[in-house]
Amino acid sequence: QKEVEQDPGPLSVPEGAIVSLNCTYSNSAFQYFMWYRQYSRKGPELLMYTYSSGNKEDGRFTAQVDKSSKYISLFIRDSQPSDSATYLCASSIIQGAQKLVFGQGTRLTINP
Amino acid sequence: NAGVMQNPRHLVRRRGQEARLRCSPMKGHSHVYWYRQLPEEGLKFMVYLQKENIIDESGMPKERFSAEFPKEGPSILRIQQVVRGDSAAYFCASSPRLAGARSYNEQFFGPGTRLTVL
Repeated sequence: QKEVEQDPGPLSVPEGAIVSLNCTYSNSAFQYFMWYRQYSRKGPELLMYTYSSGNKEDGRFTAQVDKSSKYISLFIRDSQPSDSATYLCASSIIQGAQKLVFGQGTRLTINP
Repeated sequence: NAGVMQNPRHLVRRRGQEARLRCSPMKGHSHVYWYRQLPEEGLKFMVYLQKENIIDESGMPKERFSAEFPKEGPSILRIQQVVRGDSAAYFCASSPRLAGARSYNEQFFGPGTRLTVL
């Protein structure tokens, strides 16, 4: 079983729609939860991170973590064509090297 | 402030040759991570280094792969006697410090080196 599971998609939605991206994880020691965005042929860039459970909002993006169900979510409101990318969830333990454990990534396309 | 630099961006090798991938961390960053991204898969951790020290190499294949981060110069990921299964994108990330409790230590990623083994 992979430590972080993510549906690879692809996911295609019309411009302006609300997008929901999800991951599950199995390691109870994970305390940090991140969402990275990766455009084609580029390196990942950090969108948001959350410590432990709860919600975090940044503009059109909202990240949620439910540690009781080991569920990670990213919501994108008023989606734009420029949001088209691969979205990767990642988790790490709280201390030490904090090496990231990534999900497979979901390829998202926003259609104008 | 330049970001993480990786070179070459594309590397083609024939089976049995050696591949050397270089990573220059962001200015002021002394921690380097290497990740590998196979086609249609997420990134997988390979190794974590500080200057002149390998801290965690739990994700490195046992043979043919090695990494270093010398006192001067870039970090190097070396793959000896490459095979077709080594074809992947290799990403380097750097961070400024080792995090303490409750302190997330963001990793900044480079653009990657895409290795193709013929």
